[in-house]
Amino acid sequence: SQTIHQWPATLVQPVGSPLSLECTVEGTSNPNLYWYRQAAGRGLQLLFYSVGIGQISSEVPQNLSASRPQDRQFILSSKKLLLSDSGFYLCAWGHSGANVLTFGAGSRLTVL
Amino acid sequence: GQQLNQSPQSMFIQEGEDVSMNCTSSSIFNTWLWYKQDPGEGPVLLIALYKAGELTSNGRLTAQFGITRKDSFLNISASIPSDVGIYFCAGRSGTGTASKLTFGTGTRLQVTL
Repeated sequence: SQTIHQWPATLVQPVGSPLSLECTVEGTSNPNLYWYRQAAGRGLQLLFYSVGIGQISSEVPQNLSASRPQDRQFILSSKKLLLSDSGFYLCAWGHSGANVLTFGAGSRLTVL
Repeated sequence: GQQLNQSPQSMFIQEGEDVSMNCTSSSIFNTWLWYKQDPGEGPVLLIALYKAGELTSNGRLTAQFGITRKDSFLNISASIPSDVGIYFCAGRSGTGTASKLTFGTGTRLQVTL
């Protein structure tokens, strides 16, 4: 069966510091991978998605970037965090062409 | 861009009561999904709908894909305490290899004994 892992689960970082959130998927190959952000009391906003190694599509302009160095690894990064980057970040995967996404447990980022 | 209006924003109900929530869209979707999110966790898929008019059940949950393809509802019958959480609708329009879902803002459900 397929599983998705995200880490760290929680992170508190000062403004201006770098960020690296990691996501890995097991039990499948060539998945589509996604990063969503959930602000407090709001829905999920798609940040990035990837249909293959090295292929990254950005949905909204922002202070973050994503990379896919391996087939089942998706990384969300920032060089300098802003206060507005605080939120709950969710990684998700789906089969190519499928509609359903499966989400990880999320990473809560607090920027102080 | 596409927007999903989900209502109500929150509900406080007693155990045993039925619950109904819905989503409406300004544009057509070809897939509707309903997810539940427990506190501090990622959303978990409850029901997926693929055809206009489709009515699908999953235990005490029933969801329908609206005929106009611009709306969907979710019903929960005989609510229990573990139904507490945030319920999200999500829709997908268009085709392609990437499933770019648009999410509603969520319905927060509280169940009292």
